[in-house]
Amino acid sequence: GAGVSQSPSNKVTEKGKDVELRCDPISGHTALYWYRQSLGQGLEFLIYFQGNSAPDKSGLPSDRFSAERTGGSVSTLTIQRTQQEDSAVYLCASSLTGYSYEQYFGPGTRLTVT
Amino acid sequence: SQELEQSPQSLIVQEGKNLTINCTSSKTLYGLYWYKQKYGEGLIFLMMLQKGGEEKSHEKITAKLDEKKQQSSLHITASQPSHAGIYLCGADRGGATNKLIFGTGTLLAVQP
Repeated sequence: GAGVSQSPSNKVTEKGKDVELRCDPISGHTALYWYRQSLGQGLEFLIYFQGNSAPDKSGLPSDRFSAERTGGSVSTLTIQRTQQEDSAVYLCASSLTGYSYEQYFGPGTRLTVT
Repeated sequence: SQELEQSPQSLIVQEGKNLTINCTSSKTLYGLYWYKQKYGEGLIFLMMLQKGGEEKSHEKITAKLDEKKQQSSLHITASQPSHAGIYLCGADRGGATNKLIFGTGTLLAVQP
């Protein structure tokens, strides 16, 4: 079956611009995660959605970052007024539920802020 | 300091050799996940361990979680070039979110 998909695969943007990253989880998976992978920080948790519950936003690095998940499926991560330190690979993962199930990752979106 | 320490940071082995990668936590783990990543790609799920002393195998890869649930090892037998990549351990510390904390990764190269 189809895995987690993300778009775009690569995004180059100018400092100060807003960007939107999209994630399509595996069908039927109720839990969705966003992570960020960068050279200096490794792989970091950003935000988590589970069904209709309030998202866990504890990993978002600043208020420039936000995410939403519409209809319990597709999710969009938005970064406003991008900074160079936002350059990273943004990975999305989904799991069957939010508890003790393996997370399946998408291929990521490589964001470069110039 | 990293909550999850992986060792070694990088490893070069000859094809056919065995190797072990370790992942250590200072705190008890509720779940330990092993992933593999190739450059420019996402993470590929390998195995999940939850019980102390648990051991799982898939093809030539075996992962173990110690009894205290603070250390895990990933062992590859008779390595092949297809095993090359970055191996990441991820830990679930419990709670409602199941968000994972990841180690720094181990870069594995297999020389034919």
